[in-house]
Amino acid sequence: AQSVTQLDSQVPVFEEAPVELRCNYSSSVSVYLFWYVQYPNQGLQLLLKYLSGSTLVKGINGFEAEFNKSQTSFHLRKPSVHISDTAEYFCAVSESWANNLFFGTGTRLTVIP
Amino acid sequence: NAGVTQTPKFRILKIGQSMTLQCTQDMNHNYMYWYRQDPGMGLKLIYYSVGAGITDKGEVPNGYNVSRSTTEDFPLRLELAAPSQTSVYFCASSSIGVQQLNSGNTIYFGEGSWLTVV
Repeated sequence: AQSVTQLDSQVPVFEEAPVELRCNYSSSVSVYLFWYVQYPNQGLQLLLKYLSGSTLVKGINGFEAEFNKSQTSFHLRKPSVHISDTAEYFCAVSESWANNLFFGTGTRLTVIP
Repeated sequence: NAGVTQTPKFRILKIGQSMTLQCTQDMNHNYMYWYRQDPGMGLKLIYYSVGAGITDKGEVPNGYNVSRSTTEDFPLRLELAAPSQTSVYFCASSSIGVQQLNSGNTIYFGEGSWLTVV
């Protein structure tokens, strides 16, 4: 089974600073990759996904992520964060033939005014 | 824009009690899922369904049961609640399976149900 590692459980960053949230996965076979955001007391909302094609994926709210097959990584980036970006961010992976998403443990992004 | 609706949002159960978490979606999605999220952990799949009348086990099915009598509803049943089932439960749905996702499809999640077993 897949495993997804989000090394940073908490990331504090000042407003308007850049941020990178790291995600690594275990499988070297064909995968689909996702980033979800969870605001307090809400469900998960899709930020972006990689299915195939260009390795640089742009999502909502100014976020982007880059798929690196050789490093089995899918790091999430934003060049300038806002207070409203404070939330929990989950990386998820699916093997292309499976009906399951494997989730990482999440990274709590806190934007400091 | 109802999307995926879960009830109840919060519940406290005593050990050995039973309950049902309700989930309904209004997007006519064939695929529905139940995940649990333990503190400091990622989501783990409990059960999923690919259509009415069809269900299958996920990673952590023990202690749970599901049914899918209609396209809209996918209830999760806890028969004998145990402290290990204290968790946040998320229902989700998608129009197609994860393996068939393309740029126009995604999995939609409910807001979660916080369950504590004491």
